[in-house]
Amino acid sequence: DSGVTQTPKHLITATGQRVTLRCSPRSGDLSVYWYQQSLDQGLQFLIQYYNGEERAKGNILERFSAQQFPDLHSELNLSSLELGDSALYFCASSVELSLSPDTQYFGPGTRLTVL
Amino acid sequence: GIQVEQSPPDLILQEGANSTLRCNFSDSVNNLQWFHQNPWGQLINLFYIPSGTKQNGRLSATTVATERYSLLYISSSQTTDSGVYFCAPGPNDYKLSFGAGTTVTVRA
Repeated sequence: DSGVTQTPKHLITATGQRVTLRCSPRSGDLSVYWYQQSLDQGLQFLIQYYNGEERAKGNILERFSAQQFPDLHSELNLSSLELGDSALYFCASSVELSLSPDTQYFGPGTRLTVL
Repeated sequence: GIQVEQSPPDLILQEGANSTLRCNFSDSVNNLQWFHQNPWGQLINLFYIPSGTKQNGRLSATTVATERYSLLYISSSQTTDSGVYFCAPGPNDYKLSFGAGTTVTVRA
């Protein structure tokens, strides 16, 4: 158990819908990352938050957005869902004190299926 | 972005065998992690190793940052070692870039 929790574990929805994925980082970790794992794109970085502020953006679609709350949990919002958004979405957290890189610990993932 | 190449793409081992997985990357990094993704999809941290050598039980890893490669060694493999192994270097902005992975199958 990495200490990172994600809910829900599975999500099945229809095209055009909107969903919210939730992540609670390990206690004390300031940084939260979101990654997407799909069959055609592999594992790719979406977005990072550090202590409530967006720090880095990767290949995140405009239909997707995220935020990190004062208690440091994070949510990834996916809207106008398409079949191609079906994937495993991981959240990772890292302590990164003094903004130094550190081990990223991954949660169990949320498996999203868009029908 | 940084390019990550892992080899071999697939590896079939007999239980008890040793193996070496390689990761080449195209740019300087300040972070590199190895992961094992088990059949249930969970990504398990193996090593945080931007440089140097580390060992954890039957696994060890070496990163030569100046030559832009990292190696993961599995000794006395067990069936529970089956799964996909990912190398994920991180350039200056900390996010990890994942390779395509090496799929390891250990047969009893």
